[in-house]
Amino acid sequence: EAQVTQNPRYLITVTGKKLTVTCSQNMNHEYMSWYRQDPGLGLRQIYYSMNVEVTDKGDVPEGYKVSRKEKRNFPLILESPSPNQTSLYFCASSPSGPYGYTFGSGTRLTVV
Amino acid sequence: KNEVEQSPQNLTAQEGEFITINCSYSVGISALHWLQQHPGGGIVSLFMLSSGKKKHGRLIATINIQEKHSSLHITASHPRDSAVYICAVRVNNQGGKLIFGQGTELSVKP
Repeated sequence: EAQVTQNPRYLITVTGKKLTVTCSQNMNHEYMSWYRQDPGLGLRQIYYSMNVEVTDKGDVPEGYKVSRKEKRNFPLILESPSPNQTSLYFCASSPSGPYGYTFGSGTRLTVV
Repeated sequence: KNEVEQSPQNLTAQEGEFITINCSYSVGISALHWLQQHPGGGIVSLFMLSSGKKKHGRLIATINIQEKHSSLHITASHPRDSAVYICAVRVNNQGGKLIFGQGTELSVKP
């Protein structure tokens, strides 16, 4: 089944403890991206990648890192999480060109 | 002012009604996407538009590039259409940058 898989689905962590949220797609898509969704602010793009080793900032990149060493994986790294990074995170992928996106199921992160 | 504005923010309809959700944007775009998010959070891509009109079942999406405006129509609405509908634009000449509208929360009553 074609899908985008995010892990974990839920995570509670403490301030300052480094964490990684994984995102993997099995569709050979070139484009992958991370978003966060907050009440009243909607969805906002964190980082995106047009292909392997090509990443760029979205609207809210502060406090996050990404890497794209393989086409299928695009992990989101929070090196020192803070409570303002408590949010619902989505990963998505698409082929290059004019196509729709396939979204992961989301990761609900709480930083205490 | 947001670069992508949706209206209305909330919409309640009776089953069977024709529904229109609007999206206006102020940036140059290469494509516009309509997304659906059901309670529970999963997001599904409904349409990708760069011009004209697309139809899928009871859903119709249109875009007017000159007026920087898109509409999502739902014909013969049903309670299972209750969801948040989100407009997103892919910004021209900025690779994969996406800007989202705030979403329209639709509730269809039986």
